[in-house]
Amino acid sequence: DTGVSQDPRHKITKRGQNVTFRCDPISEHNRLYWYRQTLGQGPEFLTYFQNEAQLEKSRLLSDRFSAERPKGSFSTLEIQRTEQGDSAMYLCASSLVGQGDGYTFGSGTRLTVV
Amino acid sequence: GQNIDQPTEMTATEGAIVQINCTYQTSGFNGLFWYQQHAGEAPTFLSYNVLDGLEEKGRFSSFLSRSKGYSYLLLKELQMKDSASYLCAVRGNNDYKLSFGAGTTVTVRA
Repeated sequence: DTGVSQDPRHKITKRGQNVTFRCDPISEHNRLYWYRQTLGQGPEFLTYFQNEAQLEKSRLLSDRFSAERPKGSFSTLEIQRTEQGDSAMYLCASSLVGQGDGYTFGSGTRLTVV
Repeated sequence: GQNIDQPTEMTATEGAIVQINCTYQTSGFNGLFWYQQHAGEAPTFLSYNVLDGLEEKGRFSSFLSRSKGYSYLLLKELQMKDSASYLCAVRGNNDYKLSFGAGTTVTVRA
């Protein structure tokens, strides 16, 4: 297993367009998280899945954002009608229930909205 | 809510020691984590404290005092590759969500 994979690494889009990011977690990990990080800040929690169930969504996640994990494996994060304020690094992480240590992060998708 | 504070920047010399402090005020506590993040890369896990005291892992050590809402990360024998951002994160009452500080950028100079 090569860790958590995210695709694409970089995305430039025009304001108003929709974008979708994919995350492939570590295969045996049943928990998956999405975070957003802007320059000079720490990651901010967006949402969390345990298996295929989305158990928590941050109020940061407006109705333009939707995340899915259809079979409890990979996940997608879609942003509709992108705005310049959506420009950030979108980080995916995964972990195993009962494992006390922190999660494993992917390398992130850097979104630039022009 | 969670309030996590750490210094913005620190500079140290190669071979020296640097201590990065983190103070937190959180609604519940279920562990404190330190991550290292190089520019443009993913955060990588360094250490985890849930009980008071010092955890040592090679050149890196982390300390926790729950009563004071305080932790530090100690980096010894600094190397140039240690230049990075160091993120303090707290897990609250649940067992999954981490709240991160803004990070401390450490610059190691020759």
